[in-house]
Amino acid sequence: QKEVEQDPGPLSVPEGAIVSLNCTYSNSAFQYFMWYRQYSRKGPELLMYTYSSGNKEDGRFTAQVDKSSKYISLFIRDSQPSDSATYLCAMSALGDYKLSFGAGTTVTVRA
Amino acid sequence: GAVVSQHPSWVICKSGTSVKIECRSLDFQATTMFWYRQFPKQSLMLMATSNEGSKATYEQGVEKDKFLINHASLTLSTLTVTSAHPEDSSFYICSASGDSGTQETQYFGPGTRLLVL
Repeated sequence: QKEVEQDPGPLSVPEGAIVSLNCTYSNSAFQYFMWYRQYSRKGPELLMYTYSSGNKEDGRFTAQVDKSSKYISLFIRDSQPSDSATYLCAMSALGDYKLSFGAGTTVTVRA
Repeated sequence: GAVVSQHPSWVICKSGTSVKIECRSLDFQATTMFWYRQFPKQSLMLMATSNEGSKATYEQGVEKDKFLINHASLTLSTLTVTSAHPEDSSFYICSASGDSGTQETQYFGPGTRLLVL
């Protein structure tokens, strides 16, 4: 079993829809949770960063962390074609600089 | 803020030659830099972690004599692929963490595509 599980998709939605992405993990030591967006042939771009449990909102993006269930989510409201990319969840434990990544979910937003 | 650059963005070389890739943190000091490799439609595979002024720590299965990493300053790390072969063709991405944000957050460069003929 992988340390971080993420459905690779692909996920296709119409423009304006809500995109829902999630990851589950097994390591209870994880405290820091990140979502990265990666366009084709580019490096990952940090979208959201959350420490411990709770919600965080930034514009159209909302990240949720439920440590009791070992489950994190990313929601994209009013999705745009420019949101079409691969979304990677990543997490790390306190004092551990290494990130554990999910497999990435490929999202296509249809105009 | 937290911008990381890589150079070159792509490189084609002949088998047997060495290739150097530079990774720079442009607006923060990177105490730790990471080098990843990514195959098509796959997630990132960590190759090594380096701290400024000390030797890199390589992940299991990564040949340290083949992938030379130097982290000479708080803003620059280099990866040299020595005696490159076609199987070394891949997308190489660096990341950095430091005094921008938190130590647990990594900021990635745009990547370098290597093709070995």
